[in-house]
Amino acid sequence: DIVMTQSPDSLAVSLGERATINCKSSQGVLYTANNRNQISWFQQKPGQPPKLLISLASTRRSGVPDRFSGSGSGTDFALTISGLQAEDAAVYYCQQYKEAPLTFGGGTKVEIK
Amino acid sequence: EAQLVESGGGLVQPGGSLRLSCTTSGFTLSSFWVSWVRQAPGKGLEWVANVKQDGSEKFYVDSVRGRFTISRDNAKNSVYLQMNSLKTEDTAVYYCAGSGGWLLDSWGQGTLVTVSS
Repeated sequence: DIVMTQSPDSLAVSLGERATINCKSSQGVLYTANNRNQISWFQQKPGQPPKLLISLASTRRSGVPDRFSGSGSGTDFALTISGLQAEDAAVYYCQQYKEAPLTFGGGTKVEIK
Repeated sequence: EAQLVESGGGLVQPGGSLRLSCTTSGFTLSSFWVSWVRQAPGKGLEWVANVKQDGSEKFYVDSVRGRFTISRDNAKNSVYLQMNSLKTEDTAVYYCAGSGGWLLDSWGQGTLVTVSS
């Protein structure tokens, strides 16, 4: 199984500042058919289902603000929130969908300082 | 954005069974790979199983293989999760999610399963 390790577990960031969440996979997640890394990022707020923000490691889903960006390759990936807004307080998860079982990182709680 | 709706959750004793359903309105589920993903209270997300559009391929996480069965009835626009031999550690909100591939694009609101005596 591919293990996804997120860091940090939590972080507190001031409004308008940058938040960076890291995600490391235990093996490569490159899908050779499309030469893209099969990494998603989700945002989850209390009492709500997860919301897909980023797919293919760096492709923002339609309607997601451009302050959210995904990056990385190989086994190291990151989600960056540039210019943190109050509504961005949530738990964020990375996930690989290259192979079964699909696996999630443990989550990173982002709080407003 | 496709909307999925789960049902069938509830309270069940250890060793019992429950069947969850996932359906949609306004679009056909038969074009989707559909997954079940669960979240224990206060914990992270765990993928449970998925099924291909025509039901010909199914995958499971090790912790449920042999106890849970995912299936679908495209004529009824529904995907199911039959859960047998339930354990207390299966207590969670169960979400169905899916898209044309393995990307978990559209999600339901979830249904709570509580396994307790």
